[in-house]
Amino acid sequence: QQQVKQSPQSLIVQKGGISIINCAYENTAFDYFPWYQQFPGKGPALLIAIRPDVSEKKEGRFTISFNKSAKQFSLHIMDSQPGDSATYFCAALILNDYKLSFGAGTTVTVRA
Amino acid sequence: EAGVVQSPRYKIIEKKQPVAFWCNPISGHNTLYWYLQNLGQGPELLIRYENEEAVDDSQLPKDRFSAERLKGVDSTLKIQPAELGDSAVYLCASSKGTSGSPEQETQYFGPGTRLLVL
Repeated sequence: QQQVKQSPQSLIVQKGGISIINCAYENTAFDYFPWYQQFPGKGPALLIAIRPDVSEKKEGRFTISFNKSAKQFSLHIMDSQPGDSATYFCAALILNDYKLSFGAGTTVTVRA
Repeated sequence: EAGVVQSPRYKIIEKKQPVAFWCNPISGHNTLYWYLQNLGQGPELLIRYENEEAVDDSQLPKDRFSAERLKGVDSTLKIQPAELGDSAVYLCASSKGTSGSPEQETQYFGPGTRLLVL
């Protein structure tokens, strides 16, 4: 049973647009939420991460919004570029428990 | 700093044959993980090592899968015999340790070995 539910499965956005990926979890013991970016033929690469005591974290064009009460978090890719075309995975971790639970992934396609 | 290294990158074998994958983690990372990634899905943990000790192998199909990390650095994952359903990407990841801090527990992934069983 997947502990982290991710949507949508795929999305297409025009260059310069905003990509939004949503994730939800049930286990309130999760206390670290990384996002990974994976290009075809490559392994997942850490993109950005957040702790639940923070409502928003921004790194460049990537922003995580976190709603602890709703047990939801999302990734926003601003000014999307063709080079952002990849599969994005949200994940959740219980620190000291090491088990990283991944969402099913969202394939983002940015059209030039 | 070099990342996680895996080899081979691709492997095609006949069913019932054995296959082995090798991983060298980031230098100084004590924790090593092997994951299975099926097409269109997120990675799923197979086994986790703390130095040379396998501390969680509960998801490893032990009838055909085995792993070792003899000197607490590089690791090998083996399948014998391989089945058609084993076709997937096998990912290795490493982290500094499991001290309860994000910096220590953030996992870094290698490029994976893509296995095709015919």
